[in-house]
Amino acid sequence: DTAVSQTPKYLVTQMGNDKSIKCEQNLGHDTMYWYKQDSKKFLKIMFSYNNKELIINETVPNRFSPKSPDKAHLNLHINSLELGDSAVYFCASSQLLGSDEQYFGPGTRLTVT
Amino acid sequence: GDSVTQMEGPVTLSEEAFLTINCTYTATGYPSLFWYVQYPGEGLQLLLKATKADDKGSNKGFEATYRKETTSFHLEKGSVQVSDSAVYFCALTTNTGNQFYFGTGTSLTVIP
Repeated sequence: DTAVSQTPKYLVTQMGNDKSIKCEQNLGHDTMYWYKQDSKKFLKIMFSYNNKELIINETVPNRFSPKSPDKAHLNLHINSLELGDSAVYFCASSQLLGSDEQYFGPGTRLTVT
Repeated sequence: GDSVTQMEGPVTLSEEAFLTINCTYTATGYPSLFWYVQYPGEGLQLLLKATKADDKGSNKGFEATYRKETTSFHLEKGSVQVSDSAVYFCALTTNTGNQFYFGTGTSLTVIP
């Protein structure tokens, strides 16, 4: 069974569109994260949720809105997509907030044309 | 603030060569230190970790020792294989913080 899964794996869309990426973890973890990885492999945290509550919201444009319907899911919705949003987005989870190893999903490669 | 600095890549080695990837950190509190590996087209996965000073993490022939005096957590492997080609990330988290801090990643290519 996949521990952390994301859909879709690839997403190609045009500027101005709205899209969502879904993430689910079956590890029973309390904390979930979204990261953005650019073309140089630099990894930047975007959001962190603990027990469905937003804990961290880094300097991310408000076009990005996370939604956590329950502890096992953390979805990422992006409005008005821009070229600079092209990247690989990773979902991750951990048992404890900030003090335990994280388990990563396989990533969603978003390409905005 | 808390941060991790790791050596820039890319690193290219021949099979069976010795590998060192340097990582130093700045942290308040008492950090736990990690090395993650990202194989091509995949997400990150934990390679090894150390949670207190002088601990040595090891896995798959890789080792790293938590050195508080030099604030370092260098990754080493005595004999690399082609299958070790990947991007390696050093990371830390602290008991006073609420997030992970990742280094910029070091790309390793091992050639036969």
